[in-house]
Amino acid sequence: DSGVTQTPKHLITATGQRVTLRCSPRSGDLSVYWYQQSLDQGLQFLIQYYNGEERAKGNILERFSAQQFPDLHSELNLSSLELGDSALYFCASSVLDGTSLAKNIQYFGAGTRLSVL
Amino acid sequence: GNSVTQMEGPVTLSEEAFLTINCTYTATGYPSLFWYVQYPGEGLQLLLKATKADDKGSNKGFEATYRKETTSFHLEKGSVQVSDSAVYFCALSDGSSNTGKLIFGQGTTLQVKP
Repeated sequence: DSGVTQTPKHLITATGQRVTLRCSPRSGDLSVYWYQQSLDQGLQFLIQYYNGEERAKGNILERFSAQQFPDLHSELNLSSLELGDSALYFCASSVLDGTSLAKNIQYFGAGTRLSVL
Repeated sequence: GNSVTQMEGPVTLSEEAFLTINCTYTATGYPSLFWYVQYPGEGLQLLLKATKADDKGSNKGFEATYRKETTSFHLEKGSVQVSDSAVYFCALSDGSSNTGKLIFGQGTTLQVKP
C-alpha cells in the first residue's frame, strides 16, 4: 500500500459528461501529480500541485482542470468527455524537498479507470 | 525535449532466466532515473532509482546503473521468477525543471513462464 488513495476505482460515463476524480496523498506529502495512462499515448504527466498551488502543467487538455485543497487532497475534473478520454488516471504524491527536487520519490495510487461510452 | 525510450515488448522468459530491459534517455541537466513496476490491476510501484552518474540502484534482485556516457539505465535481474511478470517503466525526473515531474518510457511487458 503506497498510502495514496484514489476514488473511485472505476467510472463509466457517457460522452459530453463531466466527472471528478479524487486523490488523497500520503500523510505529510505536499505535492500531488496527475498522470494519464492510455494505450496510444502511454503514461503522460498532466499537472502538478504543490501545497495548494499549481506548479507545473504537462499535456493537459483545456477541458481538464485540477485543484488542491487546504487539506492537500486533490481533484481532477474532466468535462465534455470524449471517447478518447477513456484511460487510467493516476495520482502520485511526494514530499517535494525543495533542495533536491530531482531526487524526490513519487508514490502512486492504484488509479481510476475511466470509461467513456 | 526530454524523453525516455524502452525496448519493445513483450519479453517472454522462462523462470530463472536472465533479464535485461533496455532504457535510454535524452535529457538536459542532470536527471534522476527510475524504474517503476506495474503489476496487473495495480498502480505503479517504485522498483529502484539512481540520482547521479555511475550510481547503481538495486532492489529485490533487480539492478540498474546510471550510465551518463551512453545515456542508459538498463534493468537487469539474474534469475527471474513467475511473480516478476508485470509491466516495467523506465522514467526520468528532470532536475532542471524544478518540478520533479516524471517522464516515462512506453513500458515493457515481462511474462515469465514456469
